[in-house]
Amino acid sequence: NAGVTQTPKFQVLKTGQSMTLQCAQDMNHEYMSWYRQDPGMGLRLIHYSVGAGITDQGEVPNGYNVSRSTTEDFPLRLLSAAPSQTSVYFCASSQAPAERDSPLHFGNGTRLTVT
Amino acid sequence: SQKIEQNSEALNIQEGKTATLTCNYTNYSPAYLQWYRQDPGRGPVFLLLIRENEKEKRKERLKVTFDTTLKQSLFHITASQPADSATYLCALDPLDSNYQLIWGAGTKLIIKP
Repeated sequence: NAGVTQTPKFQVLKTGQSMTLQCAQDMNHEYMSWYRQDPGMGLRLIHYSVGAGITDQGEVPNGYNVSRSTTEDFPLRLLSAAPSQTSVYFCASSQAPAERDSPLHFGNGTRLTVT
Repeated sequence: SQKIEQNSEALNIQEGKTATLTCNYTNYSPAYLQWYRQDPGRGPVFLLLIRENEKEKRKERLKVTFDTTLKQSLFHITASQPADSATYLCALDPLDSNYQLIWGAGTKLIIKP
């Protein structure tokens, strides 16, 4: 049981480049989400999904796109990378969203640097 | 503005003592508050959840309290060990947030042998 798997672990991009951060979970969780973590700040929600085909914006969605074609996968796309997107990105999942007290299961993150 | 605060300074505790971490919030009426542990280079790992109508929750050496009047949660680790050294994050669910947890920046705990 792998839990939440994120790839790549590290990535360096030049300003203006695009890329996709991959996230997969094998726990059949309906809820999946993307966060970014910056020094001295709490985790900030970028986008989330409550099931296949359903996505919504979080606190800081600008510059990012998501899709949810299957229960297992929730990729995050950076459309045109900017230095302000340098951060550590975490994918997280949990059981049915109606159960608001379900804990989040996190991947081990992707450390992204934009030069 | 709405915010959640944790002590940004590292907390240094002698092995065997009780470590107490604080999570304060303003302008929320949270239904749930959660505590996570994060090790360097890893994602957060869930530890405990406490509901607004619960005063205290325990799990082995861990204890969480929730005071909605003070708008504060305390996280205790008793008989602390060097392996407990990590950053501890609190997160609250304001219920009206459409599945968006609000996170503190975390407190780094260092347990010295």
